Amino acid sequence: DGGITQSPKYLFRKEGQNVTLSCEQNLNHDAMYWYRQDPGQGLRLIYYSQIVNDFQKGDIAEGYSVSREKKESFPLTVTSAQKNPTAFYLCASSIRAGQGGEKLFFGSGTQLSVL
Amino acid sequence: GNSVTQMEGPVTLSEEAFLTINCTYTATGYPSLFWYVQYPGEGLQLLLKATKADDKGSNKGFEATYRKETTSFHLEKGSVQVSDSAVYFCALSVRRNSGYSTLTFGKGTMLLVSP
Repeated sequence: DGGITQSPKYLFRKEGQNVTLSCEQNLNHDAMYWYRQDPGQGLRLIYYSQIVNDFQKGDIAEGYSVSREKKESFPLTVTSAQKNPTAFYLCASSIRAGQGGEKLFFGSGTQLSVL
Repeated sequence: GNSVTQMEGPVTLSEEAFLTINCTYTATGYPSLFWYVQYPGEGLQLLLKATKADDKGSNKGFEATYRKETTSFHLEKGSVQVSDSAVYFCALSVRRNSGYSTLTFGKGTMLLVSP
């Protein structure tokens, strides 16, 4: 079955540690996205990528980094510079670069907590 | 700027009751509008969308009409079921400086349906 796989489902970070969240899709979609979800805050865009080897900052990119070396993979690194990393992280993809009407397909999320 | 405002929840209904979840937006241009649904512990799924004024999106008994004059996209269902209990997100497409569009989400409205 085609879809988006996020791993791990739960992740714990120690102070000063960088952690990487995995996102893989086998839908052959061009575009991929990372959102952060906090209770009562809705979803906020961290980074997005429309094609391989290219990505753009979203609304809350500080303290995060990404790479897009392969079409099917878009890992997110939460760096030690992100002072409030506890949140539910959602990866999504869409068929093509965003022209306004595309449907997003979401993974099942990773819950990141600070020890 | 571009933003989405949803009614706060939780919305608590009995089975077979009529549902309305209000959504209003602020945007430049003519964005596409969406409703996504999130079940506990999962990612979001597209429920319906509308790409231009006066369009009506519909799916699984849910409907929403793109009202440009009132900048609204209210979600309605005539008779809710217990299985409709979830968090509902209104979203609009936003064109960024990169030239691509991404989605901006509201804060979400939790719906609880009791038997």
